Amino acid sequence: KQEVTQIPAALSVPEGENLVLNCSFTDSAIYNLQWFRQDPGKGLTSLLLIQSSQREQTSGRLNASLDKSSGRSTLYIAASQPGDSATYLCAVRPGQAGTALIFGKGTTLSVSS
Amino acid sequence: KAGVTQTPRYLIKTRGQQVTLSCSPISGHRSVSWYQQTPGQGLQFLFEYFSETQRNKGNFPGRFSGRQFSNSRSEMNVSTLELGDSALYLCASSPQPYRVGYQETQYFGPGTRLLVL
Repeated sequence: KQEVTQIPAALSVPEGENLVLNCSFTDSAIYNLQWFRQDPGKGLTSLLLIQSSQREQTSGRLNASLDKSSGRSTLYIAASQPGDSATYLCAVRPGQAGTALIFGKGTTLSVSS
Repeated sequence: KAGVTQTPRYLIKTRGQQVTLSCSPISGHRSVSWYQQTPGQGLQFLFEYFSETQRNKGNFPGRFSGRQFSNSRSEMNVSTLELGDSALYLCASSPQPYRVGYQETQYFGPGTRLLVL
């Protein structure tokens, strides 16, 4: 059974710091991995999607890497800003067509000015 | 283009009652999925609908049910509510259901927060 773990559960950093969020999964047979952002009272917003054949994806100050063989992904946020404060969720699409996303419990990030 | 909308946004019910939540997908999206989010279990998949048919179902008791209408709007129903059903219920839509090689992501609504007393 696929399980997704995110460490740390919470993180507080000062503005401007570079940071890394970690995601690990137990079954390397995945089709893709996504990073989402969730703001209080709002739904999830997809940040980056990495296909199983890819090693990384970049969008602005965000960079996500995927090491499928070791069951790990990292989300790198450069030059953090207070507006980055949110919960970041990692989700994998298991290696079977038609199966749903499996989410980690998230890392809650707080960036202070 | 309007996003995924969910109604109501907040709901308070008592144990034993039933509840119906509604989700309107993005225009043109035909696949709708439902998730339950709790502090203890995180986000868990409930079910997925496409063309009015349930394509996939998560590991939830039969008290949880859903349906999809011809205009792709979806409802989920929880009967005989329990305290543990208190959660944020999220709906997500995509143009098509997931299949091998499909690139499109899901778009999530703001959720319905259900409190069971």
